[in-house]
Amino acid sequence: GAVVSQHPSRVICKSGTSVKIECRSLDFQATTMFWYRQFPKQSLMLMATSNEGSKATYEQGVEKDKFLINHASLTLSTLTVTSAHPEDSSFYICSARDRYGVQNIQYFGAGTRLSVL
Amino acid sequence: GESVGLHLPTLSVQEGDNSIINCAYSNSASDYFIWYKQESGKGPQFIIDIRSNMDKRQGQRVTVLLNKTVKHLSLQIAATQPGDSAVYFCAEFTGANSKLTFGKGITLSVRP
Repeated sequence: GAVVSQHPSRVICKSGTSVKIECRSLDFQATTMFWYRQFPKQSLMLMATSNEGSKATYEQGVEKDKFLINHASLTLSTLTVTSAHPEDSSFYICSARDRYGVQNIQYFGAGTRLSVL
Repeated sequence: GESVGLHLPTLSVQEGDNSIINCAYSNSASDYFIWYKQESGKGPQFIIDIRSNMDKRQGQRVTVLLNKTVKHLSLQIAATQPGDSAVYFCAEFTGANSKLTFGKGITLSVRP
């Protein structure tokens, strides 16, 4: 089956630093990847849609300068949380859509737990 | 606005019993629905899906029912096992915007 690898699984950083999270599709090509944010005991909220070779599409209320997305290849998208603050602490999850697969199926990574001190 | 929601926040069942998890959705334009299972500290795991032109679909120990008249989706788990303990989300997909919208989630707790 399609596998999405997300790295790191957990990161602890000081306030003001930037953190990069990687999302890789291991056995398929993904022209489209998605970044979600999940607070404890809450649902997944879509932050942005990452498009290979073009700019990401951000959901309303998500600061694009705060959450930088780069989708430079068909198997890798990165999310950089710039100048992280404690309120950015959350569980970040990526998903990917198979370029040649059923377009309404997304494969999810295992998530990244970000803790900002 | 449009939303996908769940009726109950938690569900506790006895091991071996059947579980029924319900979900209400409000976007009548959604054409595809998915149930996901999320274990603590992990990403969502696909369980089963159903297209809007179907009313029932069965998998291994799971069945999804769709009632478009009342915009209701349910997940039935047969012979619930301790390993089924997790948070379950329903999600809807709308082809027009190609996005998944997740419901609030319900915690399933299986008593031994």
